[in-house]
Amino acid sequence: TQLLEQSPQFLSIQEGENLTVYCNSSSVFSSLQWYRQEPGEGPVLLVTVVTGGEVKKLKRLTFQFGDARKDSSLHITAAQPGDTGLYLCAGAGNTPLVFGKGTRLSVIA
Amino acid sequence: DVKVTQSSRYLVKRTGEKVFLECVQDMDHENMFWYRQDPGLGLRLIYFSYDVKMKEKGDIPEGYSVSREKKERFSLILESASTNQTSMYLCASSTGGALRETQYFGPGTRLLVL
Repeated sequence: TQLLEQSPQFLSIQEGENLTVYCNSSSVFSSLQWYRQEPGEGPVLLVTVVTGGEVKKLKRLTFQFGDARKDSSLHITAAQPGDTGLYLCAGAGNTPLVFGKGTRLSVIA
Repeated sequence: DVKVTQSSRYLVKRTGEKVFLECVQDMDHENMFWYRQDPGLGLRLIYFSYDVKMKEKGDIPEGYSVSREKKERFSLILESASTNQTSMYLCASSTGGALRETQYFGPGTRLLVL
């Protein structure tokens, strides 16, 4: 069974701080997707990383896929209240997506 | 703009009732999924379907069944609702033959079973 461990589970920070969320597995994935879920809504895709070592930037968000394609990280620079939400990573392979349990981020103004 | 809609945002049912949750997508996607989301447990896959009239069990199918009579519609059925099925239910769809594609989610149905 493929598992994705996300850490931390909860994160509460002040506006302007930086943070990193981690997504780790012992399994290799063909790609890794990151979603954000806001209260009362379904998850929405932020980015997909495909190549080992790949780095993608989405404004203040930086996503990295590990060289061995077993782990990924999401770094947010100068967090804003609008970044508040549940961040989910999902590993893709030959089965339906495997989701991590998520990191709940709260950015306080 | 891609769209996945779910029939209800909130639902309250009694123990033992038969419950139908409907999901419709307008993107002509082949794959559709039903998840439940609980605090501390994350998203857990109940059933998925890769074609009309086809269905596959996910990680927690017990107590649930599904129906896919049309490509755009995927229904989740709780044959006899129980209190431990109180949860947020999310429907999703994705394109293509591979199950690794991006999933587009509906807004969810929050079900309370009393």
